[in-house]
Amino acid sequence: DVKVTQSSRYLVKRTGEKVFLECVQDMDHENMFWYRQDPGLGLRLIYFSYDVKMKEKGDIPEGYSVSREKKERFSLILESASTNQTSMYLCASTTAGGAKTQYFGPGTRLLVL
Amino acid sequence: AQSVTQPDIHITVSEGASLELRCNYSYGATPYLFWYVQSPGQGLQLLLKYFSGDTLVQGIKGFEAEFKRSQSSFNLRKPSVHWSDAAEYFCAVGAATNNDMRFGAGTRLTVKP
Repeated sequence: DVKVTQSSRYLVKRTGEKVFLECVQDMDHENMFWYRQDPGLGLRLIYFSYDVKMKEKGDIPEGYSVSREKKERFSLILESASTNQTSMYLCASTTAGGAKTQYFGPGTRLLVL
Repeated sequence: AQSVTQPDIHITVSEGASLELRCNYSYGATPYLFWYVQSPGQGLQLLLKYFSGDTLVQGIKGFEAEFKRSQSSFNLRKPSVHWSDAAEYFCAVGAATNNDMRFGAGTRLTVKP
């Protein structure tokens, strides 16, 4: 069965802290994505990666960075967390190519105080 | 770039009643259309997808959707709603030529006993 896991379901951090969110998929997928989900705004793409060490900015990359050192793992980094980054973060993966079914992790709900 | 509009933020239906969730897309070429469901505290799960062929597609959990090119719509339907269908539903549009998947803002479904 297809599986995408995220390191934490809930996180509470202080303003200015460096925050790491990790995502692991076991499907040997080439593409991995990080989304932010906010009420009324749906899912907005932060970054995606189409191969190891490759990344592209999405719609809202400011304040975030990513790392993909291994094919199965895609990390989202908040360099200096701010209160406006309080949100639900969703990771997804797909096979290579466009318009593929995205497989989602359960999400990480981050609260920045 | 493609975009999606879900006009209804929140819908309430009685258990056993029929359901239709609206989705309108904007894309110049042939769209690849998806419906996902998100249960409380969970990631998104694919309900169904349309790539080509028959414009009426069947999905899991008794859902179906109809692609209408003339109306730029891909509405989701279910003939008889169950209490377990209470969730948030997202329509998404993708393109064959890139990894850009656009999600609507979501429609929250409440099911009354």
